Amino acid sequence: EAQVTQNPRYLITVTGKKLTVTCSQNMNHEYMSWYRQDPGLGLRQIYYSMNVEVTDKGDVPEGYKVSRKEKRNFPLILESPSPNQTSLYFCASSQRVGTGSNGYTFGSGTRLTVV
Amino acid sequence: GDSVTQMEGPVTLSEEACLTINCTYTATGYPSLFWYVQYPGEGLQLLLKATKADDKGSNKGFEATYRKETTSFHLEKGSVQVSDSAVYFCALSGTNAGKSTFGDGTTLTVKP
Repeated sequence: EAQVTQNPRYLITVTGKKLTVTCSQNMNHEYMSWYRQDPGLGLRQIYYSMNVEVTDKGDVPEGYKVSRKEKRNFPLILESPSPNQTSLYFCASSQRVGTGSNGYTFGSGTRLTVV
Repeated sequence: GDSVTQMEGPVTLSEEACLTINCTYTATGYPSLFWYVQYPGEGLQLLLKATKADDKGSNKGFEATYRKETTSFHLEKGSVQVSDSAVYFCALSGTNAGKSTFGDGTTLTVKP
């Protein structure tokens, strides 16, 4: 089944403890992206990657890191999490982006709580 | 830059009522337009899409037509069901290939 898999689904952590949220897709998509979803703020893009070893900042990259060493994986790293990073996170991938895009496939989400 | 404005919610309808959720956009050129649906506790799923003017996207009884002249992509369904209760997002993908722009989402509740 074509899918984007995120892990973990739920995570509670303490301020300052480094964590990684994994994202993997099995569709051979070149494009991958991370979003956070907060009440009243909609979906905001954190980072995206157009291909292996090519990443770029989205609208809210502060406090996050990403890497794209292989096409299928795009982990999101929080080096020193803070309570304002408590959110619902989504990974997405796409075969084609920009004008003529065929849309994104989203993961099921990771609900992160930082205390 | 690109932007998407969609009808504020929440929207509450009775089963079998007609649905329209308005969406207008601002973008240069000819973006691709999408509607996504998010059921409780799940990620967003692509519901339908249109990639050029006058295209009609359709899926699961939902439809939306790409109107270049009014820069709109309104979501419609003739008869909603309880199972359609979800949050609906309008989105576009434009000339900045790395970024898609999403509306704020409209929560639909359908009552039996």
